[in-house]
Amino acid sequence: AQSVTQLGSHVSVSEGALVLLRCNYSSSVPPYLFWYVQYPNQGLQLLLKYTTGATLVKGINGFEAEFKKSETSFHLTKPSAHMSDAAEYFCAVSPWGSNYQLIWGAGTKLIIKP
Amino acid sequence: EAGVAQSPRYKIIEKRQSVAFWCNPISGHATLYWYQQILGQGPKLLIQFQNNGVVDDSQLPKDRFSAERLKGVDSTLKIQPAKLEDSAVYLCASSLRFGQAQETQYFGPGTRLLVL
Repeated sequence: AQSVTQLGSHVSVSEGALVLLRCNYSSSVPPYLFWYVQYPNQGLQLLLKYTTGATLVKGINGFEAEFKKSETSFHLTKPSAHMSDAAEYFCAVSPWGSNYQLIWGAGTKLIIKP
Repeated sequence: EAGVAQSPRYKIIEKRQSVAFWCNPISGHATLYWYQQILGQGPKLLIQFQNNGVVDDSQLPKDRFSAERLKGVDSTLKIQPAKLEDSAVYLCASSLRFGQAQETQYFGPGTRLLVL
């Protein structure tokens, strides 16, 4: 069965520091890949997605992610963290032949230290 | 455009009671999803509709959960009777087309259920 692993349930960075949230998936065929963000008491919002083409994907709020097929990874980065980035981040994949459903990671809570 | 609407936002009930959640997807979206999100976990798909037909309900506990999407627009999710382990956030999402793996799902704010 397909699975998505997010390393670290909590990640803490200082304001202005690099943000790196890790996501690995298990699939022999590269799926479609998504990052969603969930702010407190709000629904999930798409941050960015990889479908085809360029492996470096840019999203909203200065985030980007790189699809690395050889590493089965789709890590999320932002050069400089802002206090408003504090939220929970979910990686999800849509494998082939799955009724196009999303398989979700457990989420990583990003904490920003002033 | 208006987003996905859900109500109520919060609900507290006692075990063995029943509860219903309502979702109004984005206008024109063919596919509607109900997810259960337990604290500390990613969303778990309960049921997926295409228009008013069920595509997948394999993870829906059918002995207590039911869902419908009348006329292919609004949807309701019901739990009867509720158990303590049903305490979670219930998320509704919609997407424009069915059968497109790269489709973005748009989420509502969720209904937070606490079963005592």
